[in-house]
Amino acid sequence: DGGITQSPKYLFRKEGQNVTLSCEQNLNHDAMYWYRQDPGQGLRLIYYSQIVNDFQKGDIAEGYSVSREKKESFPLTVTSAQKNPTAFYLCASSSPGQVSSGANVLTFGAGSRLTVL
Amino acid sequence: RKEVEQDPGPFNVPEGATVAFNCTYSNSASQSFFWYRQDCRKEPKLLMSVYSSGNEDGRFTAQLNRASQYISLLIRDSKLSDSATYLCVVNGGNFNKFYFGSGTKLNVKP
Repeated sequence: DGGITQSPKYLFRKEGQNVTLSCEQNLNHDAMYWYRQDPGQGLRLIYYSQIVNDFQKGDIAEGYSVSREKKESFPLTVTSAQKNPTAFYLCASSSPGQVSSGANVLTFGAGSRLTVL
Repeated sequence: RKEVEQDPGPFNVPEGATVAFNCTYSNSASQSFFWYRQDCRKEPKLLMSVYSSGNEDGRFTAQLNRASQYISLLIRDSKLSDSATYLCVVNGGNFNKFYFGSGTKLNVKP
């Protein structure tokens, strides 16, 4: 079945460490996204990528970095510069087209829960 | 002003009740609209897309009012399994940017 795989599901980090969250999709979607969700809050966009080797900052990109070397993969690195990284991180993808045909809809991975010790 | 605003709830309703959620969006150029369901500590999952003419899927009805920049979701005959957080999602004109409301929590009680 096609879908999005995020790993690890749970991650613990010491302050000052960088960590990388993996996101792989086999949906052949062009666009990929990283969102952050804090308890009781909505999703906030960190970075997004429309095509390979191109990505744009979202609303809360500071302290994060991404790469898009392959269509299927969009890893997120949470750097030590991110002051409050404990959160639920969600990767998503979408393809252009008409919503009525099932396109232009976000599909999510199961998420990665990061805790800073 | 937030791109998408929702009443956070919680909405506490008995089984069998009808409940309505509302959502407003600020960008008049928005093109696509969705309701997602998110269970506790899980990822959001698409419940239904929202079309200009309104659409229905079983007990769920979604409506869009472009003039008022308003989206609604109606759930009839609530089930215990409907308990979740419902997220309003708007595509912000550029098809690649989606904006999320903070979600409305629904608790359906026996």
